[in-house]
Amino acid sequence: SYELTQPPSVSVSPGQTARITCSGDALPKKYASWYQQKSGQAPVLVIYEDNKRPSGIPERFSGSSSGTMVTLSISGAQVEDEADYYCFSTDSSGSLWVFGGGTELTVL
Amino acid sequence: QVQLQESGPGLVKPSQTLSLTCTVSGGSISSGSYFWSWIRLPAGKGLEWIGRIYPSGSTNYNPSLKSRVTVSVDTSKNQFSLKLSSVTAADTAVYYCARDTCSGGSCYFDNWGQGTLVTVSS
Repeated sequence: SYELTQPPSVSVSPGQTARITCSGDALPKKYASWYQQKSGQAPVLVIYEDNKRPSGIPERFSGSSSGTMVTLSISGAQVEDEADYYCFSTDSSGSLWVFGGGTELTVL
Repeated sequence: QVQLQESGPGLVKPSQTLSLTCTVSGGSISSGSYFWSWIRLPAGKGLEWIGRIYPSGSTNYNPSLKSRVTVSVDTSKNQFSLKLSSVTAADTAVYYCARDTCSGGSCYFDNWGQGTLVTVSS
């Protein structure tokens, strides 16, 4: 089996930078993507291939990678950014694809 | 812009087979280098990837569900489907279909359906 580990919750004040981490043994060699899911809505892709931002996603969302950890950063977090965030990637063989456990972001 | 829409029964009895269909509009399911995936969100838990299919019929499943899952595609109808057998209450979840872009060993979901709630109960 393969696991991606995220903190269950992160809390920041409006305007601060929120950082959500995702750890996995294969991350030095495998890309990760990040998804935002607001209550009752479908997930939305916010970062792919570690640090690329899809069109339509605000510039305050960014991604980075270092060793066995990838990080989603939201600079100048807004109340509207409150959501669950999930990372997604694969193991070293590329055959087992998993989501992280999810992180609940609170902005207040 | 491609749109995806899940459809199927919202209530399934224990031990029976859950069947869902995803209809793709705004583009051909066979065009481009896209896979098509199923993902679920059980209440109070996190997202779980179920499996994916390429228009050619090639599949890739989550090993934890592989013995019970079948994903198929009907390119003539621009649809792909999920069958999950021998369901229990643990399979109660919101089920999503998604377009899966894979290249250079990276896969990510750039388009999602709105999701459909399936409850397993007698």
